[in-house]
Amino acid sequence: DGGITQSPKYLFRKEGQNVTLSCEQNLNHDAMYWYRQDPGQGLRLIYYSQIVNDFQKGDIAEGYSVSREKKESFPLTVTSAQKNPTAFYLCAREMTQYFGPGTRLLVL
Amino acid sequence: GQNIDQPTEMTATEGAIVQINCTYQTSGFNGLFWYQQHAGEAPTFLSYNVLDGLEEKGRFSSFLSRSKGYSYLLLKELQMKDSASYLCAVSDSNYQLIWGAGTKLIIKP
Repeated sequence: DGGITQSPKYLFRKEGQNVTLSCEQNLNHDAMYWYRQDPGQGLRLIYYSQIVNDFQKGDIAEGYSVSREKKESFPLTVTSAQKNPTAFYLCAREMTQYFGPGTRLLVL
Repeated sequence: GQNIDQPTEMTATEGAIVQINCTYQTSGFNGLFWYQQHAGEAPTFLSYNVLDGLEEKGRFSSFLSRSKGYSYLLLKELQMKDSASYLCAVSDSNYQLIWGAGTKLIIKP
């Protein structure tokens, strides 16, 4: 699995609901990334973190939030402000050479 | 702006050779990556080029020309399992990856 896991594999969101996607790594790496993938488009960076308790916005951070309280964990919250959340969400570590298996978010 | 271009879709025959091109215009260059992505799965790393020339890894090779802003991924002895999307990404001056939209490769028997 490249030392990085994501859960759940599928997630359903109701209107107005916040949902949190999990990303965990067990290789003690500093840098972690969240990407969004839509059909026919390149991956787009949402947030990244290079050290515990610090993170930076990517190109499409609006409607998302993250935390980095522990080195091994980098959860992503998709808030109700994100109006088009349906996508495949990918977490990656260390210069994005290794991805987790991804979470597919669907809106009910 | 920053831009990565690659063909949307290509078709090839099992056992043949296929070349997938990628051209880029980015602010700075710190390497070019190729990934393979099967439908419904995460991308997996194939290769990294930072110097001009050809890097060979088994049936897959990747070429880079920095002066031309050009790379290609060469797949030899194609197998049905090579049917996937191939993503090109460039690391810019801030070491952030800029991604192409991917090339869907269809292998026919």
